Amino acid sequence: EIVLTQSPGTLSLSPGERATLSCRATQSVSSNFLAWYQQKPGQAPRLLIYGASSRATGIPDRFSGSGSGTDFTLTISRLEPEDFAVYYCQQYGSSPWAFGQGTKVEIK
Amino acid sequence: QVQLVQSGAEVKKPGASVKVSCKASGYSFTNYFIHWVRQAPGQRLEWMGWINAGNGDTKYSQNFQGRVTFTTDTSASTTYMEVSSLRSEDTAVYYCAKGHGTGSYYLPWGQGTLVTVSS
Repeated sequence: EIVLTQSPGTLSLSPGERATLSCRATQSVSSNFLAWYQQKPGQAPRLLIYGASSRATGIPDRFSGSGSGTDFTLTISRLEPEDFAVYYCQQYGSSPWAFGQGTKVEIK
Repeated sequence: QVQLVQSGAEVKKPGASVKVSCKASGYSFTNYFIHWVRQAPGQRLEWMGWINAGNGDTKYSQNFQGRVTFTTDTSASTTYMEVSSLRSEDTAVYYCAKGHGTGSYYLPWGQGTLVTVSS
């Protein structure tokens, strides 16, 4: 069973700054089947990235994903006010599909 | 547009059962899977299982095996999740989400259904 660990737990940044979020797996993620989601309070998660680096439809290009094997990164190039939220990674390469514990991006 | 709409919040007593619905629209319902994910307060998202909306095949996470049942009504493009023998630890928001296969990213998600288990 793959366990995903995200770091840091909380990221305190100002609008316009760059955010770098990490997701590390205990085993290699098959075919780099790794997704990233954004969740705001009271809302369902929203898909940002799938296949480690492909942006979902309608997602701004300031969001980018990279990585392979066991180490993955979500980068937000310049934070907009609406980007302050919790971000989760998910592996869907091998059952049971699993999520990380989340990284909260908060306004500094 | 593609949309999943879930039933409303529920309050149940320990030992009871709850059934949550997830109605799909905007796509060919039987060509995809519906996955269920729950989010307990302060906890990470937890995958519960999936159902193939086309043939009704199911797979459940070991953590929920024997207590959760997924069903579909293809005529209504609706999937149901039933959890039995509820305990306080089952208090959570339950989400349905559309997936393209057994292993899948999820797009879109339902709005979530809060299930509260309390005596």
